[in-house]
Amino acid sequence: RKEVEQDPGPFNVPEGATVAFNCTYSNSASQSFFWYRQDCRKEPKLLMSVYSSGNEDGRFTAQLNRASQYISLLIRDSKLSDSATYLCAVEEDSSYKLIFGSGTRLLVRP
Amino acid sequence: DAGITQSPRYKITETGRQVTLMCHQTWSHSYMFWYRQDLGHGLRLIYYSAAADITDKGEVPDGYVVSRSKTENFPLTLESATRSQTSVYFCASSESPGLPSNEQFFGPGTRLTVL
Repeated sequence: RKEVEQDPGPFNVPEGATVAFNCTYSNSASQSFFWYRQDCRKEPKLLMSVYSSGNEDGRFTAQLNRASQYISLLIRDSKLSDSATYLCAVEEDSSYKLIFGSGTRLLVRP
Repeated sequence: DAGITQSPRYKITETGRQVTLMCHQTWSHSYMFWYRQDLGHGLRLIYYSAAADITDKGEVPDGYVVSRSKTENFPLTLESATRSQTSVYFCASSESPGLPSNEQFFGPGTRLTVL
């Protein structure tokens, strides 16, 4: 089993749709969680950190479920510009190393 | 406002040659990381460094060597390139990783092809 797993997609949704991604992790001692966005052939950029209580940034909501060991990302009112690959990242123990999922590709169509 | 830069951006080399990928950051971040990204594998950590002269192995270190004599530079060397090292290489830095509020900033990447 991979340490961090994501559905590769692609998720193909119309503009305005709500879409949710999940990411499961295997290390129950992990403390820090992140969602990164990666555009084609570009570097990953932090989208959101994921806090225990859940957090929201505009149309984006991130949640953490420690009991089931997954994090989620919800995107409301999808825009064409949201088309990208979304990577989840989980800190490995307290070693400052991040373990990345393989990414979920999102395509938002007009 | 350079941030984190990588050079070269594209490199084609031959099997058996030594190749060095450069990474430079202007933020004086303590931590620096090297990842490779391949289809189906996502980002995999090669080596990381907590400070100058402190380096440690990541998930896939074999065939790579790093050094960090200065805080701002973290070169990655492929001692004898193999075709399996064809990949996109990303360098990243962070001030204080491990905290939810601290992110890793990535360089633009180097596309390496080993023939």
